[in-house]
Parts: sequence; structure tokens; C-alpha cells
Amino acid sequence: QVQLQESGPGLVKPSETLSLTCTVSGGSISSHFWSWVRQTPGKGLEWIGYIYSNGNTDHNPSLKNRVTISMDTSRNQFSLRLTSVTAADTAVYYCVRHYAGDRGSFDYWGQGTLVIVSS
Amino acid sequence: DIQLTQSPSLLSASVGDRVTITCRASQDTSTYLAWYQQKPGQAPKRLIYGASTLQSGVPSRFSGSGSGTEFTLTISSLQPEDFATYYCQQLNSYPRTFGGGTKVEI
Repeated sequence: QVQLQESGPGLVKPSETLSLTCTVSGGSISSHFWSWVRQTPGKGLEWIGYIYSNGNTDHNPSLKNRVTISMDTSRNQFSLRLTSVTAADTAVYYCVRHYAGDRGSFDYWGQGTLVIVSS
Repeated sequence: DIQLTQSPSLLSASVGDRVTITCRASQDTSTYLAWYQQKPGQAPKRLIYGASTLQSGVPSRFSGSGSGTEFTLTISSLQPEDFATYYCQQLNSYPRTFGGGTKVEI
């Protein structure tokens, strides 16, 4: 059974960088696409970006170029960095796995981690 | 970006009711659509993918249909554990987008 677990600071100051890591167990990160998704009461569910096992990435243009997603195959982890955060980046952040079929719906989700942006 | 509009946003129903939720896409998404269920304090859980394929382990009272720009999620007989918020997601193009959600309440 694949499991995903987010980790990282729950509080980030405005203008600083949000950094989260997703640890994958029960399966290798060296396959599938992996994404970050966030959820806010106001904007609902928002896809942030993905990384593929070959290192290719893409991100939501709405986040401008503030997003970096990377992976560490030796640790079976992938990570999110979001720079220049504001209060609007306060959200629950989820890491997810893309299903290998159907163009990649999200078949496994982490439990989510709340990140608050505040001074 | 493909916009997904779900209706209704809030649905009041009773145990045993047949419930239908609609998801309309701003562009043709073929059958590249998934449905998720989210309960308070939990991550979303995939129910249906490919517009109509039921996730393994999901009760058969859930079904999905549609293609192109109009999709539906139907719960044939609402059970107490089905009170939750439901989201659609399009998989036709990036950025992946979600509907605004439909909360099913008693």
C-alpha cells in the first residue's frame, strides 16, 4: 500500500520560502508523476505542480515562477519550494501520486499539512 | 485553463435519496475527468476516474457518467457515510483544475 507523508514547517513568515517534503513509502518514487496540491477555503483545491521520475517538472502558471519541485530518489522523497509567500499561500498542502492510467488522476494522497503564512 | 463548474454547491438530502451532482467544463475534456470525496479533516479520496470507472473498493451505489463538457456523479441510495464534499477534476490539460465542490449534507 502506497503511503505519502508531508513534512515541513507549519508557520512561514511573509516574503520567505515555504519548503515541504513528501516521503513515499510502499512504492518507488522512480515511477509515476507526483504532484503538490493545496486547499484553501477561498480558492478550493489548486494544483501546484508535478515532477516526473525523469526529473521533468511543470507548475501552475498562476503561481508565476515561485515554484520549484525536486526529488531525491535515494530517500524516496520529493519536495516543494514556494518563494515570496504571502497570506494568500496559507493553505493545507497535499502531496499526491498520479495514477499511471487515465492521464493521471490522483490515486494516493498524503494526509495534508497546514501551512500558515504570518509574521 | 479549463474551468469546472459544479452544481449545486450545497445539497441537502436524506438517507436513501438518489443524489446527482453535475460538473460542467468550459472546454471539451473528453472523458478525462475524475471525482473525489472529501470528509472533514481528511484528504480527498478518488471515487471515479475516466468519467465512469469506479475506484476499486468504492461502493457500487456511486456512478459517474458524461463526456465532453458535462458530467454527473450519482449516488443511487445515500448512506450516512456519504455525507461529504465532492469535487470533480479535469485531466485533459495542464494546469489540472478542480470544481468548486458540492457539499452533501443532511
